[in-house]
Formats: sequence, C-alpha cells, structure tokens
Amino acid sequence: DAGVIQSPRHEVTEMGQEVTLRCKPISGHDYLFWYRQTMMRGLELLIYFNNNVPIDDSGMPEDRFSAKMPNASFSTLKIQPSEPRDSAVYFCASSSRGENTEAFFGQGTRLTVV
Amino acid sequence: KQEVTQIPAALSVPEGENLVLNCSFTDSAIYNLQWFRQDPGKGLTSLLLIQSSQREQTSGRLNASLDKSSGRSTLYIAASQPGDSATYLCAVVPGTALIFGKGTTLSVSS
Repeated sequence: DAGVIQSPRHEVTEMGQEVTLRCKPISGHDYLFWYRQTMMRGLELLIYFNNNVPIDDSGMPEDRFSAKMPNASFSTLKIQPSEPRDSAVYFCASSSRGENTEAFFGQGTRLTVV
Repeated sequence: KQEVTQIPAALSVPEGENLVLNCSFTDSAIYNLQWFRQDPGKGLTSLLLIQSSQREQTSGRLNASLDKSSGRSTLYIAASQPGDSATYLCAVVPGTALIFGKGTTLSVSS
C-alpha cells in the first residue's frame, strides 16, 4: 500500500476563497482522522470518521469547516470561506480498530491563506 | 481532559550520546501510546507503539517505556547520530483519536 495520500501538498489561496483538501486512507483502515498543525497549538484533532460516519467533530473550529467521507477510500476537508488564520498544515491519518494498531499519517497539505 | 506534555521542548547533543525524551499525560486511562518522528516540512513517521498492557517496546536503537500509573513514557535513543535530528512527538490514545504533545526538537551535532 502507498500509505495515506493527501492532495494537494501545498495550497495558496486568497482570503474568502473555498479550499478543499483531499485524503485517501490506507485500504482496510476503518478510522480516518483530520488534524491541523500550527506552531502555537501543535497537532489538534479536527474530526474523525469510523466506517465513513463522522464520530466526533468537536475539534472543527467553525462552521466554515466541513468534512465528508463519501466512501471508504476518500475524504475531503473543506474551508469556505477561508481566512488567513486558517493557514496551517493539515494532516490526514488512518488506522484500524484494536489496541495493537498504529495510526499512519499522510504527508500533509500546507495551506497558506493570503 | 487528557493533556500531553513533552519536556524538554528542544535538546542539543553531540553525536554518540545516549539520550532520553520525556512524555507525560494527565489521565492514565489510555488505550495505547505512540511515538512519532517528524522531519522539517514532512509528515509523521511512526516509530513505536506501546499497548496499555505493555511496559516497553524496542526498535533498533530506540526503546520506549510506558508507566501508566505515573502517566509517563520515555523514548531512549542510544548512540545518537546526526540523522536522528528531528522533532519527536508523543501521542496517547484515550479512546480512538490520538492526543499529541507539542514535541521535542532534537539536534545531534557531528
């Protein structure tokens, strides 16, 4: 397996524009997580899915943020409208159920909102 | 609310030195604990996973320990090398999602 795949790797957009980040989890994993990393706050959980169903979205900062998982192999994180304070690195991760299962992370999307 | 703290925030050592990175967490009810490495501008690479029933795990020059009762984990790196320079992140799993510390940035000089 190629691991968790995120696209794009870098995104620069103007304030007010819609941004969509994409993630393909590892095949067979039934959990998918979206995290945001900033210098000030470190890695923060935004939302996670189990079997394509959102379980906990309490970390989503505002209604401007939304996430979907239409099938087991694809998820999106959308920001509309984007603001400069949304600039961060967004990571997607996947894992399977069980005490002995590791979470695997994608390479991240570096978002810059100007 | 589970909180994870990593001390020190940064560490500089000469090549060849053995070192210990610390991780503490406030709630001992965890499922497992995972150590990651992050190189600048890159994603997270999993180093070691310790299940809640285990006391330690080893991989090459790395050894991670877990003491749930005291809420502590350590990552021991033997005979450090310049290639070990990176940020090391500790994450606990209280249920399903990982909760991260802010990491220790390690610099190993040759």
